[in-house]
Amino acid sequence: DAKTTQPNSMESNEEEPVHLPCNHSTISGTDYIHWYRQLPSQGPEYVIHGLTSNVNNRMASLAIAEDRKSSTLILHRATLRDAAVYYCILSPNNDMRFGAGTRLTVKP
Amino acid sequence: DSGVTQTPKHLITATGQRVTLRCSPRSGDLSVYWYQQSLDQGLQFLIHYYNGEERAKGNILERFSAQQFPDLHSELNLSSLELGDSALYFCASSGTDEKTYEQYFGPGTRLTVT
Repeated sequence: DAKTTQPNSMESNEEEPVHLPCNHSTISGTDYIHWYRQLPSQGPEYVIHGLTSNVNNRMASLAIAEDRKSSTLILHRATLRDAAVYYCILSPNNDMRFGAGTRLTVKP
Repeated sequence: DSGVTQTPKHLITATGQRVTLRCSPRSGDLSVYWYQQSLDQGLQFLIHYYNGEERAKGNILERFSAQQFPDLHSELNLSSLELGDSALYFCASSGTDEKTYEQYFGPGTRLTVT
């Protein structure tokens, strides 16, 4: 399985944008880039996914580098509720192998 | 509320015992996935079923087995339990197409083996 690298932790201020990076230099052509998050004491929650083009939904935006070796999850305006562990996962299908993720702390 | 239900919420049992965890997917979803989350191993993919058929296996031990029934609910059976099996077990479901990428996770079953 292709591997992803994410920072262990990040901090942001409430109501400011947050850019969560993910490196995946060994991504294959069929790998989708998936993002999930896990809020404290809850199951993971789908955030967004993409293949080659940037994607937007109501929760976030996903910016994918042209060579697809990295991507960035963008939360446009962080709220306290966005404090969670964010996982970047590569998969050609829907079988997710979660890594350690990035723990996002949002300061009021 | 994701629409995925898991029972029981908590389970405490002794080493060597066998337990069954149950998952009901969201209405209409054909895929069910099982995951194990422990403090030292993180979130591990165990197995994926689609419309009753096994589709993929992850880090699932031979002591563990799963099945998906005709009504699409799924059960994860854990036998010869060891202390290290203590973990949160999540079930997730996704849509009518095998290539539906959005998974919905249940609240989990917390298993404690003493």
